[in-house]
Amino acid sequence: QVQLQQSGPGLVKPSQTLSLTCAISGDSVSSNSAAWNWIRQSPSRGLEWLGRTYYRSKWNNDYAVSVKSRIIINPDTSKNHFSLQLNSVTPEDTGVYYCTRTSDGKWDYWGQGILVTVSS
Amino acid sequence: DIVLTQSPDSLAVSLGERATINCKSSQSVLYSSNNKNYLGWYQQKPGQPPKVLIYWASTRESGVPDRFSGSGSATDFTLTISSLQAEDVAVYYCQQYYGIPYTFGQGTKLEIK
Repeated sequence: QVQLQQSGPGLVKPSQTLSLTCAISGDSVSSNSAAWNWIRQSPSRGLEWLGRTYYRSKWNNDYAVSVKSRIIINPDTSKNHFSLQLNSVTPEDTGVYYCTRTSDGKWDYWGQGILVTVSS
Repeated sequence: DIVLTQSPDSLAVSLGERATINCKSSQSVLYSSNNKNYLGWYQQKPGQPPKVLIYWASTRESGVPDRFSGSGSATDFTLTISSLQAEDVAVYYCQQYYGIPYTFGQGTKLEIK
């Protein structure tokens, strides 16, 4: 059974960096058949895909254009987790952040979600 | 970006009755080389992450009750709950994974009449 456990701060100051981690159990971040995504949800923006990392002979990343200049998603094979770093945050980045796994077309495993508030 | 528009925004259905939610895509999500529609349906209850119900437009996820079904192709899709149960009260989302950025519909809130 795959489980995704998220960790990170729930409060970030404007202009600072939001950093979250998603620990994977029951699968490998290096899997050749899965991708590892970050999604956020807010009342104003709904569900918004932010980006993904995946391994297919080499590491690949894709990011949403809306955050592309500010986002880094990194896999860590030694800890079997992946992380989200979102720089220069504003109150618009407030929301619930989820990590998810995609495999065979389905987004089948989700982290528990972390509410991140951007406020001074 | 592919825009998904769901209808209606909210829906109230009596227990045991059929519920139908529609999802219209701004462009086709049918990949011609494998004849698969890159569209899924998700259920979200308060305080929980979304849960996959349907993927490839019509494939039911393991463990999902068979009262849930998905249909449609290319740009028009439907999620049907054949006989509404109390535990089906939730917000339902369609989602496309045909093109990046992956996008979601705005959600349909389903309630009991």
